[in-house]
Amino acid sequence: EADIYQTPRYLVIGTGKKITLECSQTMGHDKMYWYQQDPGMELHLIHYSYGVNSTEKGDLSSESTVSRIRTEHFPLTLESARPSHTSQYLCASTSSGTETQYFGPGTRLLVL
Amino acid sequence: GNSVTQMEGPVTLSEEAFLTINCTYTATGYPSLFWYVQYPGEGLQLLLKATKADDKGSNKGFEATYRKETTSFHLEKGSVQVSDSAVYFCALSDQGYSTLTFGKGTMLLVSP
Repeated sequence: EADIYQTPRYLVIGTGKKITLECSQTMGHDKMYWYQQDPGMELHLIHYSYGVNSTEKGDLSSESTVSRIRTEHFPLTLESARPSHTSQYLCASTSSGTETQYFGPGTRLLVL
Repeated sequence: GNSVTQMEGPVTLSEEAFLTINCTYTATGYPSLFWYVQYPGEGLQLLLKATKADDKGSNKGFEATYRKETTSFHLEKGSVQVSDSAVYFCALSDQGYSTLTFGKGTMLLVSP
């Protein structure tokens, strides 16, 4: 059973605010990912990490940043939120040598 | 680069109808292929996968066969239920198992 958690599940904030979306997994997975899911359902990879102190940008350019200081934790930060950041953000993880990614429940972000 | 194309939805069926969701892919090498499902308000869950040509993945009555000659991985179920209503994503892995490339998703709506 996959255990990957995201908080908050829902967030409504005003333009210009700094926010951090939390993602944690208890499976000891070394690889972690952030996806942005637009209202049309399409998934876009925005960041990923192969391990502690490793971060890479994904296919979709994003104004967000990530950090990986601990294996189990992969937070995503927006320094100044804008309405264009309104979306659902999904976190996922997997182990090296396997392909199946396990997903968290997602955070729905609304920026007013 | 890698790409996945799946049929646009929504697919609307009556309970006990036969389901097919088409998926074709473009990739270098020999990727693994996946179907993920996203129920309302949740993250993605792995439904089934196939790792090499002619493999058949199956789970919960759903099946898909890896067809290298037609570069396809169509999802089928003989008799859908209302509880199968969800968004279905076809995906492939790169050869390094680092990232997944997803299709745009197909919404399935099953009515009683």
